[in-house]
Amino acid sequence: DADVTQTPRNRITKTGKRIMLECSQTKGHDRMYWYRQDPGLGLRLIYYSFDVKDINKGEISDGYSVSRQAQAKFSLSLESAIPNQTALYFCATSAGTLTFSYNEQFFGPGTRLTVL
Amino acid sequence: AQKITQTQPGMFVQEKEAVTLDCTYDTSDPSYGLFWYKQPSSGEMIFLIYQGSYDQQNATEGRYSLNFQKARKSANLVISASQLGDSAMYFCAMREASYGSSNTGKLIFGQGTTLQVKP
Repeated sequence: DADVTQTPRNRITKTGKRIMLECSQTKGHDRMYWYRQDPGLGLRLIYYSFDVKDINKGEISDGYSVSRQAQAKFSLSLESAIPNQTALYFCATSAGTLTFSYNEQFFGPGTRLTVL
Repeated sequence: AQKITQTQPGMFVQEKEAVTLDCTYDTSDPSYGLFWYKQPSSGEMIFLIYQGSYDQQNATEGRYSLNFQKARKSANLVISASQLGDSAMYFCAMREASYGSSNTGKLIFGQGTTLQVKP
């Protein structure tokens, strides 16, 4: 079974609708991230969380909100979807560390969201 | 501000030949980590290789090696003996410095390079 799962994998919705993307992980990691990928722009960070009570905005958080329901679950919501939020969304996890060290991020399979 | 630049939007390589994908970065932090990820057409992100800023030797993982030139702030990915399955988009990413409570672990990505391997 995959360590990081995302649901749904694909979603088509209409402008103005509220959408929730869910992410679950079995890696036992404290840190979770949401990124979006747009053609020609790479991945950009939306939100990240160190634990259930520690949630932080990334570089493009406007129009999004998140919820860390448990260590293993991190959800991304689009309160009122708009067409320019059409993108591929990735959830990722990593272990926390107090010292500088190699710390791979493990990515989920992605959710392809289309807003019409 | 930290930045990753991949200047090659697309590249072709003949099967069995080696190819170099360019990546330059900008940071004022002395401590950082550099990653390469592969994204095939199916969309998932596959970790390939990591280089720490204090690592003395270039990282290698099988057919992948990272040509790390710290003074030039470049971290090029070299794929030897290209295979058809190497056709994908490749992303270079940098993790910001990680000390204590300021360690966010977030990655900054380049724009990506699409590699096509010709039979």
